[in-house]
Amino acid sequence: QQQVKQSPQSLIVQKGGIPIINCAYENTAFDYFPWYQQFPGKGPALLIAIRPDVSEKKEGRFTISFNKSAKQFSLHIMDSQPGDSATYFCAASPDYNFNKFYFGSGTKLNVKP
Amino acid sequence: EAGVVQSPRYKIIEKKQPVAFWCNPISGHNTLYWYRQNLGQGPELLIRYENEEAVDDSQLPKDRFSAERLKGVDSTLKIQPAELGDSAVYLCASSLRGNYNEQFFGPGTRLTVL
Repeated sequence: QQQVKQSPQSLIVQKGGIPIINCAYENTAFDYFPWYQQFPGKGPALLIAIRPDVSEKKEGRFTISFNKSAKQFSLHIMDSQPGDSATYFCAASPDYNFNKFYFGSGTKLNVKP
Repeated sequence: EAGVVQSPRYKIIEKKQPVAFWCNPISGHNTLYWYRQNLGQGPELLIRYENEEAVDDSQLPKDRFSAERLKGVDSTLKIQPAELGDSAVYLCASSLRGNYNEQFFGPGTRLTVL
C-alpha cells in the first residue's frame, strides 16, 4: 500500500510556468516531508523539506505548501527553467521512526524552452 | 568531498545467478540505507544500518537478499539467486545519525535480470 500518493505522474510546462506537484498521506504520525529531485542516471537529491508546524516554506524558486488538516502537501516551482526538467519525489517520515522515509511514485517534469 | 560511491553502475545477469552491489558512504556518516527503485517508482527502503547494526530490515526479502556492513563503513548487498522481478536500480544512501538528517544518495546500480 502506497503510504504517500503523488500526482500527476508527468507534467509538461513552458519555461516560466509554475508546475505544481501534489502529495497526500493518511498516516498522522508523519511529521517530516522532504522533496527530492532526480536527474536521469543519478540518485535523488534533497531539494526542500518541511515540518507540519508551518504551512509554507520557500527556498529560492521552490515552495512547499502544507495543509495539515487535509493531509496534503505540494511543491511549486516558480519561473521554471528547462534545467528543472527532472523527476520529483515527495516523501514522508514518521515521528516514531524518523529515519524511515516513504516515497511517492514520482512526477516527471518537462520544462519546454 | 566525495559523495556516496556505488559499484558497479550496471549489471546484467541471468536469472538464478548471484549478484552483489557495493557502497562506500560519505566519510563520517553513521547511517547507511539500501533502497530499491523500480522503473517509474520512488525508492523503497530495503535495509537501514546504524554503524554496523541493521536497525530496520523489515522490507528485505531475506530468503534471497542479504546485506552486511562490516566495520560500520562500506556495505554490500547481495541477491542469491536473482529473479526476473529483481530488475531495478539499487540505491545506497548515507546520512549523519540523528533526526531528519539529509540523506545523500549514490548514483545507483542498475540491475537487469534476463
